[in-house]
Amino acid sequence: QSVLTQPPSLSGAPGQTVTISCTGSSTNFGGPYEVHWYQQHPGTAPKLLIYDDTKRPSGVPDRFSGSKSGTSASLAITGLRPEDEADYYCQSYDSSLSGVVFGGGTKLTVL
Amino acid sequence: QVRLQEAGPGLVKPSQTLSLTCTVSGAPITSGDYYWSWIRQPAGKGLEWIGRIYLSGTTHYSRSLKSRVTISLHPSKNQFSLNLTSVTAADTAVYYCARRSAVSGRYFDLWGRGTLVTVSS
Repeated sequence: QSVLTQPPSLSGAPGQTVTISCTGSSTNFGGPYEVHWYQQHPGTAPKLLIYDDTKRPSGVPDRFSGSKSGTSASLAITGLRPEDEADYYCQSYDSSLSGVVFGGGTKLTVL
Repeated sequence: QVRLQEAGPGLVKPSQTLSLTCTVSGAPITSGDYYWSWIRQPAGKGLEWIGRIYLSGTTHYSRSLKSRVTISLHPSKNQFSLNLTSVTAADTAVYYCARRSAVSGRYFDLWGRGTLVTVSS
């Protein structure tokens, strides 16, 4: 069981907005650490999507946004496109485990 | 453009040692600005952080794998490596090498394409 909890799956129609949640605790991003998000298409490596809670790397569309409040974090995708169909992972650092932790991943289906 | 590329045997027998290398191209591994990490992903499952190494040789490993893992730096080849001993079927996964900033956040901004390692007799 992952330290960071994500819904296993979500779906949305093209053009819609979907929000993927990630629940942590005071020992990871609910405390002094940040949360980061990755997108992974089948058969490919994860790609950094959001870092330090809300920042987008160069080249990531502004349709993707991150937020955090307490022990909850969210990744919002607006104007859903077929190419957004992928697995999404949240990630942080956990002081009780003294290591990097990932969420279990959310499979996003674009209907 | 900086790239990471994993390499190693695709099949390892149970109880043996899994050995992989990650070649960094486009930038020196000795820059000091990054930690060099290994992450794995069993088929159909999530990501698991294995550990990382810094220029100084300092390592930090996942508690669950610490007793079996060694990550080493090979500056002359611009590579770093992973050794995982006493493997079982549970170690079958795609293994990724990745880069993490040593001066900003604890996120992985660059990944290799990954290499599948199967543990089977």
